[in-house]
This record gives sequence, C-alpha cells and structure tokens, in this order.
Amino acid sequence: DTGVSQNPRHKITKRGQNVTFRCDPISEHNRLYWYRQTLGQGPEFLTYFQNEAQLEKSRLLSDRFSAERPKGSFSTLEIQRTEQGDSAMYLCASSVDRAPNTGELFFGEGSRLTVL
Amino acid sequence: RKEVEQDPGPFNVPEGATVAFNCTYSNSASQSFFWYRQDCRKEPKLLMSVYSSGNEDGRFTAQLNRASQYISLLIRDSKLSDSATYLCVVNRLGNQFYFGTGTSLTVIP
Repeated sequence: DTGVSQNPRHKITKRGQNVTFRCDPISEHNRLYWYRQTLGQGPEFLTYFQNEAQLEKSRLLSDRFSAERPKGSFSTLEIQRTEQGDSAMYLCASSVDRAPNTGELFFGEGSRLTVL
Repeated sequence: RKEVEQDPGPFNVPEGATVAFNCTYSNSASQSFFWYRQDCRKEPKLLMSVYSSGNEDGRFTAQLNRASQYISLLIRDSKLSDSATYLCVVNRLGNQFYFGTGTSLTVIP
C-alpha cells in the first residue's frame, strides 16, 4: 500500500494523558499536513511541513500540541495533557510541490482520539 | 470571518435530479480551488479542481467567479452513489489549504 498511513487508527485516553500520532506520507511527497476534524465540520488546518521544516502553524495549535518531521519523511503529532475538547479525528495529508502539480492533497484514514 | 463558507445542507434529492452547491471564500489572494468528496467516516478525496474557465468531469461541473469570490459545483443526473459530503477547498500561496464545513448530500431512490 503506497498511500498515506496513520496510526493508531483509534486512541482512547483519559484526560491529562499524553498521546502521539504517527503519519507516514506517500514516499515522494515533500509536503505534509496535519488537520483536525470534528463531527459536522470540515478539516481544520493545524500545521504544515515542507521536507523537515515546519513552515506554518495554526493559532488552533496550542502549546500542548507539537509536531515533528525529523528526517522529512514520517511525522508525529503529540498532544500533551489531553482535554476532552481534543477529541476529534486527526488527519494527515501529503502532497508534492513539483510540476505537474495538481495541488491534490492525499489524506490518510485518520487517527480518532477520544478523551474521557 | 471564515476563509471558506459553505451551506451545510443537508440536501436531500431524488435520483436523477440536478443539484448545485455554492461556496464563497474571503481572501482574494486565493490561488487554487478544489472540490473534495468525503464519505461517512472516510477521509476526504479530491473530486475535481476548479479552473477560472469552468470545467466539467462527466456529470460534474465546477465554476469559479474570482470577482465574486464564489465557487460552485453542479451535479447532474444524481446517483445514489453521489451521497456524501462535498467540501469546498481553497489554497493560498501554494501552502495552506482551507476547507469549508462541507455540504451534505443524500440522493434518495
């Protein structure tokens, strides 16, 4: 399978615990995005990497959230001291910036977080 | 103000009907425009890009009006399999993609 891979697919945790999600993008894609989606809403942008550089972070991304892409390949999204409001689907997407560039984002199946 | 605004619906239409979705975006610097489809409990997938001259892909027609900052999607001869949420997406400076809340479509037999 050469698509975007995310794990774990589902995480249930207690409030106050830390969680980490991993995303493996399509291998030749240099751009990687993290989004958060709640029921009835579209994906909300969290952060974006070009290769290993984190180029943009949303104001939604509080200090409890951190993302890394250390070697420009896979990425991790960590949430510290989880709160019930963090419960959501966390989506990872990748894309390329080389021509021919359709601008298409390829999404993983997401990691669903439930904070009790 | 949100970057992208869509009517969330839901739209419930009979098979064979024509249905149109609209979307507005707030930033005139937006450069690229897309419609994505999201099935229930699945990830979003690209349906089609939207070009200034308008473009068609089978039963789907997308239009862009830069002056009004307005994007539309027309689905003709609706099929049961078209039931999904349709997300309007804009891209600025080739980096961040902004998604609307999505418009829910149910095609009824």
